[in-house]
Amino acid sequence: KQEVTQIPAALSVPEGENLVLNCSFTDSAIYNLQWFRQDPGKGLTSLLLIQSSQREQTSGRLNASLDKSSGRSTLYIAASQPGDSATYLCAVASYNTDKLIFGTGTRLQVFP
Amino acid sequence: EAGVTQFPSHSVIEKGQTVTLRCDPISGHDNLYWYRRVMGKEIKFLLHFVKESKQDESGMPNNRFLAERTGGTYSTLKVQPAELEDSGVYFCASSPRRAGAEQYFGPGTRLTVT
Repeated sequence: KQEVTQIPAALSVPEGENLVLNCSFTDSAIYNLQWFRQDPGKGLTSLLLIQSSQREQTSGRLNASLDKSSGRSTLYIAASQPGDSATYLCAVASYNTDKLIFGTGTRLQVFP
Repeated sequence: EAGVTQFPSHSVIEKGQTVTLRCDPISGHDNLYWYRRVMGKEIKFLLHFVKESKQDESGMPNNRFLAERTGGTYSTLKVQPAELEDSGVYFCASSPRRAGAEQYFGPGTRLTVT
């Protein structure tokens, strides 16, 4: 049974810092891994999608890596800004099923 | 292109009442998913439609929950009768019909059962 864990659960940093959020999963047989952002009271915004055959994806100040064999993904946020404050969720789609298994998220606060 | 929409955004009902949530997927997306987050827990899968057919309903908690997708377009999720533990945020997502496709989420419906 696939399980997804995110560390840390919460993070508070000053503006400008580079951050690393961690996601680990127990079953390496995955289709893909998605990183989402959720603002309070809002829906999920997809940030990056990494297919199982890929090692990383980049979008602006965000970079996500995937090491399928070790069951790990990291989301790197460069030069953090207060507007990056949100909860970040990772989710994996296991092989032969389309459903996403979510981690509990990392709550990020970036202060000026 | 319009995103996934959900209605209502918030619903407050009493225990024992019935509530119907609606999801309109992105046009042309054959896959439609329902997920929910209950207080303090991670988001969990409920079920998956491919067009109008239920592909996977392994996450449905019990027979008080009924999901339909008439004509393969919008979907409804009915809870009857609602219980206190049904409170949470219900998300809908859609994706094109290909393996490993990105799922696009709606804003969610916050359900409060009192």
